[in-house]
Amino acid sequence: EAGVAQSPRYKIIEKRQSVAFWCNPISGHATLYWYQQILGQGPKLLIQFQNNGVVDDSQLPKDRFSAERLKGVDSTLKIQPAKLEDSAVYLCASSPWGAYEQYFGPGTRLTVT
Amino acid sequence: ILNVEQSPQSLHVQEGDSTNFTCSFPSSNFYALHWYRWETAKSPEALFVMTLNGDEKKKGRISATLNTKEGYSYLYIKGSQPEDSATYLCAQNGVSNYQLIWGAGTKLIIKP
Repeated sequence: EAGVAQSPRYKIIEKRQSVAFWCNPISGHATLYWYQQILGQGPKLLIQFQNNGVVDDSQLPKDRFSAERLKGVDSTLKIQPAKLEDSAVYLCASSPWGAYEQYFGPGTRLTVT
Repeated sequence: ILNVEQSPQSLHVQEGDSTNFTCSFPSSNFYALHWYRWETAKSPEALFVMTLNGDEKKKGRISATLNTKEGYSYLYIKGSQPEDSATYLCAQNGVSNYQLIWGAGTKLIIKP
């Protein structure tokens, strides 16, 4: 079974620029998560989708971050405009409906200069 | 304890030695405790999911125990090898809550 795919793997941008990340979850997984992991901290949930609906986006900085999951499969996470403190690894994870275990992609390491 | 906490933050271990580290979590509203291994440039990989007090799970040289009453879990690695070098993350979720609350991880470095 193919794992969770993410792209790009690395991205360097200047502050105030925009960036987008893409995630393709494991086929058939209804739930999709985006996490932000800042160096030295645990992953922080940004948004959780159930199929194409948002379950929780309470920690998503909505003034600059947006995410969508069209057709309940792939998802994109966008930052516009980026700030220095957005430098982090952005992880995408998916899980079957009703399951606790999450399956992760390799992440996108974002550096904002 | 309100958050999931891991100690130590980092650990250097000689190849061949055994080691262990701790995950502390809120004991109220507990459902499951998860351990993940995250190697550099790879995807975090699930090691164990534990739900019952006193649970002990093993995968090769790695094992984990769970104490839900006092809110802690230990991860043990026997005879450390260079390929064990990684960050080990634990996460907890409560009943009827699929969201995981994560610790900051223990970074393990195995010295040859």
